[in-house]
Amino acid sequence: GESVGLHLPTLSVQEGDNSIINCAYSNSASDYFIWYKQESGKGPQFIIDIRSNMDKRQGQRVTVLLNKTVKHLSLQIAATQPGDSAVYFCAENAGGTSYGKLTFGQGTILTVHP
Amino acid sequence: DAGVIQSPRHEVTEMGQEVTLRCKPISGHNSLFWYRQTMMRGLELLIYFNNNVPIDDSGMPEDRFSAKMPNASFSTLKIQPSEPRDSAVYFCASSLSGGNTEAFFGQGTRLTVV
Repeated sequence: GESVGLHLPTLSVQEGDNSIINCAYSNSASDYFIWYKQESGKGPQFIIDIRSNMDKRQGQRVTVLLNKTVKHLSLQIAATQPGDSAVYFCAENAGGTSYGKLTFGQGTILTVHP
Repeated sequence: DAGVIQSPRHEVTEMGQEVTLRCKPISGHNSLFWYRQTMMRGLELLIYFNNNVPIDDSGMPEDRFSAKMPNASFSTLKIQPSEPRDSAVYFCASSLSGGNTEAFFGQGTRLTVV
């Protein structure tokens, strides 16, 4: 029979635009969150992280926002470049007895058009 | 530091054969993770170790899969016997434990079981 794969959310933007990638997490006990970027044929690469006692953190061209009330995380990329094209994953670090266990979301495909 | 090193990068084997994947974590890191990535299921955590001790192996699909970490600088993931549905990219990652720190990923091993 026909195999069914994950249908990853996709985001297409023009070079120079700002991009916003969203993630809903499941574990209210999670206390640390990370955004990763994965390019074709490579392993996930760390972009930015945020702890649960914060609601915003900024890096170079990237900002992560955390809304614990609705368990939502977002990654904002300013002035998106073609080199930003990749799959983006959010990951949560479960607390409690699973402390240290990183669980990944399904990913979002970002395509940047020149 | 060379980062997380995985070997081999590619492995093609016949169904029923034993497969061993290897990982060298970043020196000084004492948490190690094995992930599997497929189009069907995304990035799944198989097992993770802290200070060479397996902490959570609930993601290991079945008894055909086993993982060891005999010392702080080496881990193996073994599949015996292998099946075509085990075909995937297997990633190893390491991080500093005891706090909220990002995991660094290796380049992965692409396993094909025919």
